[in-house]
Amino acid sequence: NAGVMQNPRHLVRRRGQEARLRCSPMKGHSHVYWYRQLPEEGLKFMVYLQKENIIDESGMPKERFSAEFPKEGPSILRIQQVVRGDSAAYFCASSPPSERGNEKLFFGSGTQLSVL
Amino acid sequence: KQEVTQIPAALSVPEGENLVLNCSFTDSAIYNLQWFRQDPGKGLTSLLLIQSSQREQTSGRLNASLDKSSGRSTLYIAASQPGDSATYLCAVGGSGGSNYKLTFGKGTLLTVNP
Repeated sequence: NAGVMQNPRHLVRRRGQEARLRCSPMKGHSHVYWYRQLPEEGLKFMVYLQKENIIDESGMPKERFSAEFPKEGPSILRIQQVVRGDSAAYFCASSPPSERGNEKLFFGSGTQLSVL
Repeated sequence: KQEVTQIPAALSVPEGENLVLNCSFTDSAIYNLQWFRQDPGKGLTSLLLIQSSQREQTSGRLNASLDKSSGRSTLYIAASQPGDSATYLCAVGGSGGSNYKLTFGKGTLLTVNP
């Protein structure tokens, strides 16, 4: 059972370009979460998605950032018109569905985004 | 707003020592607390998950405790090994009433010297 798969591992973009980060959850997991780790900072929650639904995007910047988790395929975190301040490690996590809602999160290896 | 603090920020010990990493949080209304390990350039590996109703969890040489009332957790590592060198992150689940949001500390960088 493969873990949470993220690609690419490293992504370099110039200012103004678009960045697309992909995340495939663990088999059997239908909940996906994106976190961002800025240099010298702790990981911070960005967004929580289920298939075809955004449940909570309270941690997403208001502009340029969007996320989706389609019925088929991986979850995508999209950053338009990147700026240097977007340089960070972006982690995806997944969890199985749970009525109690406090299942353990399993994290991927992250995508390191560098904006030149 | 939940805040998580980890002390110390860095720790260097000789191989074989027992050690304790500390984590404190400001809001005791949590669903759970997790300890993770993060290796350079890699993802997070979950080590232990303590539900809010539990006091401790053990896995091999690791033991994590939780005291909700005082807002504290400790991660005890017995007989440390060079392979334990990594950054250890504490994360509290339940920020703002949402059980899926983890609030992370900045971590403790552990170096175990052979």
